[in-house]
Amino acid sequence: DIVMTQTPLSSPVTLGQPASISCRSGQSLVHSDGNTYLSWLQQRPGQPPRLLIYKISNRFSGVPDRFSGSGAGTDFTLKISRVEAEDVGVYYCMQATRFPWTFGQGTKVEIK
Amino acid sequence: QVQLQQWGAGLLKPSETLSLTCAVYDGSFSDHYWSWIRQPPGKGLEWVGEINHSGTTNYNSSLTGRVTISIDTSNNQFSLKLTSVTAADTAVYYCARADPVGGTDRGSGDFDSWGQGTLVTVSS
Repeated sequence: DIVMTQTPLSSPVTLGQPASISCRSGQSLVHSDGNTYLSWLQQRPGQPPRLLIYKISNRFSGVPDRFSGSGAGTDFTLKISRVEAEDVGVYYCMQATRFPWTFGQGTKVEIK
Repeated sequence: QVQLQQWGAGLLKPSETLSLTCAVYDGSFSDHYWSWIRQPPGKGLEWVGEINHSGTTNYNSSLTGRVTISIDTSNNQFSLKLTSVTAADTAVYYCARADPVGGTDRGSGDFDSWGQGTLVTVSS
């Protein structure tokens, strides 16, 4: 199984300041079809996860443009340009390049 | 907008079979892959498996032999069965939708719609 490692596991952020989460995979996530199936999800307390970013950098419909994804191969990053109160929650990276799909451990974003 | 509504027994004894169903409303049932994902209390996410409208399935190898995902296209529903449950299967179980990957028998893993979650507790 591909191990997904996120850092940091906890990120206290001041409102209006940026936040960055790193995700590293145990092997390249480039699929034989040329795509990289790396997505980011947000899980607010008590709610199901919500898709933010797919295929590294594509923002899902309705996701604010303060969220952006980047990276390639085995190293990926989610950035929040200016953290708002509604961004509090746990963020997961997930790979769907090779079965079984696997998730990172999650990064808890909280307000200082 | 698609809605996923799920239900099933919430309390099981060890060795029993977990059974959950997810109904899809206002979505293109035949155009997507349908997954189950679980989350032990206070922990991270684990993909269980997926199915498409043709009945093509992919499972997490860690559950092979115990898991079956089936589909009922006439009612736009899909179901999860997990046999011989133990306390380690205690989790919130979510159903979710993803696009297919063209030319393959697999979903994209881009879970754009989720059910509300069902807590399943395994305890004697």
